Formats: sequence, C-alpha cells, structure tokens
Amino acid sequence: EPEVTQTPSHQVTQMGQEVILRCVPISNHLYFYWYRQILGQKVEFLVSFYNNEISEKSEIFDDQFSVERPDGSNFTLKIRSTKLEDSAMYFCASSEDSHQETQYFGPGTRLLVL
Amino acid sequence: SQQGEEDPQALSIQEGENATMNCSYKTSINNLQWYRQNSGRGLVHLILIRSNEREKHSGRLRVTLDTSKKSSSLLITASRAADTASYFCATDLYYGNNRLAFGKGNQVVVIP
Repeated sequence: EPEVTQTPSHQVTQMGQEVILRCVPISNHLYFYWYRQILGQKVEFLVSFYNNEISEKSEIFDDQFSVERPDGSNFTLKIRSTKLEDSAMYFCASSEDSHQETQYFGPGTRLLVL
Repeated sequence: SQQGEEDPQALSIQEGENATMNCSYKTSINNLQWYRQNSGRGLVHLILIRSNEREKHSGRLRVTLDTSKKSSSLLITASRAADTASYFCATDLYYGNNRLAFGKGNQVVVIP
C-alpha cells in the first residue's frame, strides 16, 4: 500500500541552525501539507501546497519557514534559523487532486532544538 | 478559528469491551476524519465521514456525525490491546483550503 515517507525520523540541532525536513508524498497525490505537534499538544496545521505554490499557511508559518518541491517526488520543509520552541514532531501529509479527500500522514520527524 | 475538540477523556477498558469517544466542532465543515496515533508515532487515518453522511462503518469502527449538534462519535467495538492509542478527530473547513483542525485527542488504554 502506498504511503508517505519522511526523513530523518529524528533530528537534533542547535538553536539558530537551519534544518530541512524531507517528505516523499504518495505518488499520484497533488496536495501536500506540513503539520506539527509540540509534545503533549494538538496537531497544528502549518502549510498546504498545490501546483508548486503555497495554497494556504497558518500564522505559525512565518518567514523562518519555507517549503519546496525540488523535484517530482520530494517535498521539503525548511526552518531557516531554529528556535527552542520549534522542537516538535513534524508531519507531512498528502491527498489526491481534489479537496475533501483523506489526508495521509507520514510517520513524522521528531525535531529537537537545543 | 474552528477546531475539532474531543471530550478530553482518558479511557481505560477491558479487552472485548466497546470504547466510545466524542468530538465537537464550531463551524461548518466539509468532512470529519478520525485518526489514531500510537505513542509518539505517526497519524494513521481511520475513517472519513462527509458532512452529508450520518453514519459510517469500517470494520470494528463506527462513526456518527450530527451536523445540527456539530458533533461526532467514534465507537470501537470488541476492543483489543492493539487498539491502545490516542484518537483524534480532525475537521476540514467548509470554506477552507483543506487545512485540518485537530482536537486534543482521547487516550484509550485497552487492558488485556
């Protein structure tokens, strides 16, 4: 069964460093998303991406964040200068070509900023 | 902003019993989805119910949706130890662009 994959599974970084989280969405999906979950809190929407551009972003997704689809398979989330409060589990998700469809989530990347 | 909100429960049940959890939301939705998360792991999609549906089944799962009350319930029948997890509802805004709003989750522990 096709699934969303994410790398790395865990990342530890120093405050102020840049990190890139990688995702490979399900191959025939056209909508891509990033969410995050701070330990013990709700899963929060960050950004959605369609047709090579951001279709919606939340107030969390400030100038420190960017997303990119550098090739036909990868979808990345970059945090330019990490802060302690960026420590969280980051989930990538994808869905088929129309909205109102199921979003399938990857296993997540646990980011720890020291 | 609109969000899915579960009744903040921690359920502890014996294997074989049924587990029911609820979710309420605030504004009109396209659909409501339930996800399971095992401790510290990814989100596994369980079931999607659309705003024009009232009930849906998938295996041992039964989901209801009451749009007049803006609430949903998830029933797991004949629970197993492997059902031990956190369960989240997530709503897709009617006027939104697919962003999902998640509730806080229900922790379910099934005792063998």
